[in-house]
Amino acid sequence: QKEVEQDPGPLSVPEGAIVSLNCTYSNSAFQYFMWYRQYSRKGPELLMYTYSSGNKEDGRFTAQVDKSSKYISLFIRDSQPSDSATYLCAMSEPGGYNKLIFGAGTRLAVHP
Amino acid sequence: EAGVAQSPRYKIIEKRQSVAFWCNPISGHATLYWYQQILGQGPKLLIQFQNNGVVDDSQLPKDRFSAERLKGVDSTLKIQPAKLEDSAVYLCASRLDGGGNTIYFGEGSWLTVV
Repeated sequence: QKEVEQDPGPLSVPEGAIVSLNCTYSNSAFQYFMWYRQYSRKGPELLMYTYSSGNKEDGRFTAQVDKSSKYISLFIRDSQPSDSATYLCAMSEPGGYNKLIFGAGTRLAVHP
Repeated sequence: EAGVAQSPRYKIIEKRQSVAFWCNPISGHATLYWYQQILGQGPKLLIQFQNNGVVDDSQLPKDRFSAERLKGVDSTLKIQPAKLEDSAVYLCASRLDGGGNTIYFGEGSWLTVV
């Protein structure tokens, strides 16, 4: 079993839709949870960063962490064609040297 | 602020040849990472440096991969000899000490082994 599971998609939605992206994980020691966005032929860029459980909102993006279920989500409201990218979840244990473990990424296409 | 710089962006080599990738992290970032991302997969950590010391190289195939970070700034990742399964994007990333767990990626070096 992989430490982090993420449905690779692809996910295709119309412009304006609400998008839900999810990851599950097995390591209960994970405390830091991130979502990265990766455009084609580019490196990943940090989108959202959450520590421990709870919700975090930034504009059209909301990240949720449910540690009891070992489940994290990213919601995108009013999706735009410019949101078309691969979304990677990533997580790590506390401590300065602990490495990020990534999901496989979900490919999202938002069509006009 | 300049981002993480990588070169070359693209490289095509034959199997059993060698290749080297260069990375210049964000100024002041003590931690540097090399990740391997195979098509359709998430990035996998190959090696992590803290200044010029290795913190984690547990997933680096040491029989063919090597990396160094001289003077705690730039880093080079080398593959010799290359195999077909090494075809991937090699991502360099860096993190500021005390910057939480946020790491910043370069645009990657795309390797195709034929």
